[in-house]
Amino acid sequence: AQSVTQLDSQVPVFEEAPVELRCNYSSSVSVYLFWYVQYPNQGLQLLLKYLSGSTLVKGINGFEAEFNKSQTSFHLRKPSVHISDTAEYFCAVRGGNEKLTFGTGTRLTIIP
Amino acid sequence: KAGVTQTPRYLIKTRGQQVTLSCSPISGHRSVSWYQQTPGQGLQFLFEYFSETQRNKGNFPGRFSGRQFSNSRSEMNVSTLELGDSALYLCASSRRGREDGYTFGSGTRLTVV
Repeated sequence: AQSVTQLDSQVPVFEEAPVELRCNYSSSVSVYLFWYVQYPNQGLQLLLKYLSGSTLVKGINGFEAEFNKSQTSFHLRKPSVHISDTAEYFCAVRGGNEKLTFGTGTRLTIIP
Repeated sequence: KAGVTQTPRYLIKTRGQQVTLSCSPISGHRSVSWYQQTPGQGLQFLFEYFSETQRNKGNFPGRFSGRQFSNSRSEMNVSTLELGDSALYLCASSRRGREDGYTFGSGTRLTVV
């Protein structure tokens, strides 16, 4: 079985400050890892994904994430946030023949 | 290119009724998955289809069913609706479903009264 833990349910950050959204996963097999963003009244949009290779993955909107196998983590970072980054962010994992499993989400609020 | 299209966007049903939701994936995508999203339970996996075959199924009662057609379009059906079925139902498609990132539709907001 696989699971995802997003350690923070809400993260408030001042505009132009850096942010890190934390994600830890559990799986008995090799995994693919994803971050999605959801804006109000919309579906989820893929930010970035880790399949293999370089552990630092760059995505859209200036976001990046680092895969750390020893710590089973896949934290999402952005060096400088904007008001438009206000949204809910979901980490997801998929291993073997398992379904895509999502974390409970982190609501990012940007403070002007 | 067109995204994942879900119809209808909003639906109000009464307890005991049944409902059918539709999903048209991106052209060329053969994998379709369905998720239920609620404030309390988050994103819960319902089913995954690939080339008309159900590949994975979540832990939902038998009232929830789905299918995929030869053109990859998918439908999900909920019978004997309960108040707790009120949720945002999201459909997602991908080329093959495993290492691909899913593309999600905007969802169908179902309210059961």
